[in-house]
Amino acid sequence: KNEVEQSPQNLTAQEGEFITINCSYSVGISALHWLQQHPGGGIVSLFMLSSGKKKHGRLIATINIQEKHSSLHITASHPRDSAVYICAAIDNNDMRFGAGTRLTVKP
Amino acid sequence: NAGVTQTPKFQVLKTGQSMTLQCAQDMNHEYMSWYRQDPGMGLRLIHYSVGAGITDQGEVPNGYNVSRSTTEDFPLRLLSAAPSQTSVYFCASSYGAGPPYGYTFGSGTRLTVV
Repeated sequence: KNEVEQSPQNLTAQEGEFITINCSYSVGISALHWLQQHPGGGIVSLFMLSSGKKKHGRLIATINIQEKHSSLHITASHPRDSAVYICAAIDNNDMRFGAGTRLTVKP
Repeated sequence: NAGVTQTPKFQVLKTGQSMTLQCAQDMNHEYMSWYRQDPGMGLRLIHYSVGAGITDQGEVPNGYNVSRSTTEDFPLRLLSAAPSQTSVYFCASSYGAGPPYGYTFGSGTRLTVV
């Protein structure tokens, strides 16, 4: 069993829909990292959080330490949000990744 | 432009050859790290460094060496390439491993070992 599980693996949405991607982890962590990988392969760091909630534009990340669960929400989704979203559990300096969620937003 | 520069972008090696993947950043970041990304396996941490002169192993360090003689550079060495090392390699840097700092990633190196 992977230490970091993401769901769903693939997600197709219509433009404007509210998106939720889930991440569960079985290891102890000091922080949870959300990443976005563009279709061209480039990786962007979205959020790094150890508690509560963070918001940047239309993206919101939450974490529940007790339940070992984090969610990434995208409000008013747009085709440019189409990418692979990856969560990673950080334990001190070590990082373990989920397999990623491939999001496709159709116009 | 400030960022993480990886070279080369593409490389083909023969089994047994050695090579060094270069990673340089100009943001004065203390934390630097190397990852490999394989289909079906996702990203995996190879080695990391929390500052000049300090390196440590990640999840998949076998077959790779690193050193950190300066804050700016963190090269990854393949001593004797094997087909299992065919992958896309990413380097990243940050002020620290954890929050509140995000990471800056390089554009990746696609390595094929034949």
